[in-house]
Amino acid sequence: EDKVVQSPLSLVVHEGDTVTLNCSYEVTNFRSLLWYKQEKKAPTFLFMLTSSGIEKKSGRLSSILDKKELFSILNITATQTGDSAVYLCASSGGSNYKLTFGKGTLLTVNP
Amino acid sequence: SAVISQKPSRDICQRGTSLTIQCQVDSQVTMMFWYRQQPGQSLTLIATANQGSEATYESGFVIDKFPISRPNLTFSTLTVSNMSPEDSSIYLCSVSEVGTGELFFGEGSRLTVL
Repeated sequence: EDKVVQSPLSLVVHEGDTVTLNCSYEVTNFRSLLWYKQEKKAPTFLFMLTSSGIEKKSGRLSSILDKKELFSILNITATQTGDSAVYLCASSGGSNYKLTFGKGTLLTVNP
Repeated sequence: SAVISQKPSRDICQRGTSLTIQCQVDSQVTMMFWYRQQPGQSLTLIATANQGSEATYESGFVIDKFPISRPNLTFSTLTVSNMSPEDSSIYLCSVSEVGTGELFFGEGSRLTVL
């Protein structure tokens, strides 16, 4: 059974801090790893990673995949209160793009 | 990316009733999926909505409880039948970008069953 494990489950930081969120996965016929930000209901797409060792970056957010160690991290630098959300990691495998989600990391950024 | 509209956005329902959630996409998409997110939990795939054929359900989900329609490449519905309080969840429609595998979500439908 495919499995995605995220850590930590929750994290509280102050504005300006840098955070690293972790995601490990065990997926049959791995295709990609995706990161989402969920603030209210709908998860918002952040990154999709398919190649090992290549960093994807968008503003203060960046992510990298290690396919050998079956691991990904999401970094957020200079955090802001607007970064407070649940960050979801998901992995896809097989031919139908089915995603297996982790439980998420609840990030709280205090002013 | 595709724009996905879901309705209703939220509803409060009585035990034993059924509710149909609609998902409309602004472009034709091959892959449409329905996910459930129970309170405090992550997302779980209910089924893949196949255009012109029966949906493909994941383990633990059955057609009688969650009938799905997909009449064309831009629209799908999910019905939650004979609801109980355990069905209180956010239900999310999602579509996959062909070729990239990126998955995008609708705004979600928050369902509360009393």
